[in-house]
Amino acid sequence: GAGVSQSPRYKVAKRGQDVALRCDPISGHVSLFWYQQALGQGPEFLTYFQNEAQLDKSGLPSDRFFAERPEGSVSTLKIQRTQQEDSAVYLCASSPNRVSFSYEQYFGPGTRLTVT
Amino acid sequence: AQSVTQLDSQVPVFEEAPVELRCNYSSSVSVYLFWYVQYPNQGLQLLLKYLSGSTLVKGINGFEAEFNKSQTSFHLRKPSVHISDTAEYFCAVSDTDNNDMRFGAGTRLTVKP
Repeated sequence: GAGVSQSPRYKVAKRGQDVALRCDPISGHVSLFWYQQALGQGPEFLTYFQNEAQLDKSGLPSDRFFAERPEGSVSTLKIQRTQQEDSAVYLCASSPNRVSFSYEQYFGPGTRLTVT
Repeated sequence: AQSVTQLDSQVPVFEEAPVELRCNYSSSVSVYLFWYVQYPNQGLQLLLKYLSGSTLVKGINGFEAEFNKSQTSFHLRKPSVHISDTAEYFCAVSDTDNNDMRFGAGTRLTVKP
């Protein structure tokens, strides 16, 4: 079956532009997670959803970052007024169960954002 | 909060040789432990996980890991590697009491012919 998909795969933005990154989780998966992976680093947690509810957004680095999942399926991560330090790969993952890391997360291929 | 240290950023090894990728964690409470693999231009794929029970965990592609609570380690091993095992490997830990997963910085495994 289809896995987690993300679009676009690559995005180049000029500093100050707004960007929107999309995640399509595996159909029926309850939980959805966003991570930021800087070059040469491991993924860092940003936020997660259980269905349409955003249960934790403590990892969002600033109020320029905003995530939503209005219908409990597709999610969008929006970054306003992008800065160079926002350059990273943004990973989305979904899980079939309630929010718990004892269950496997399925990752998408990521969106590589480059801010010039 | 928990944290993860992967002691080797790069591990070169010849094909058919054994390999061990090291991972140490810190946490004041019980944890779940994971190893993920990331092939070029692909998403992370779960290799194996430790939740409870037997400390020796077997995963996909012939990998295994051993949870050592006294040494707070979760090293990944494979007795004989293939060229196709070349990838980035990430160790991750989550606190069983919350929903915060932390990843290590990764180990790049390069298998040479």
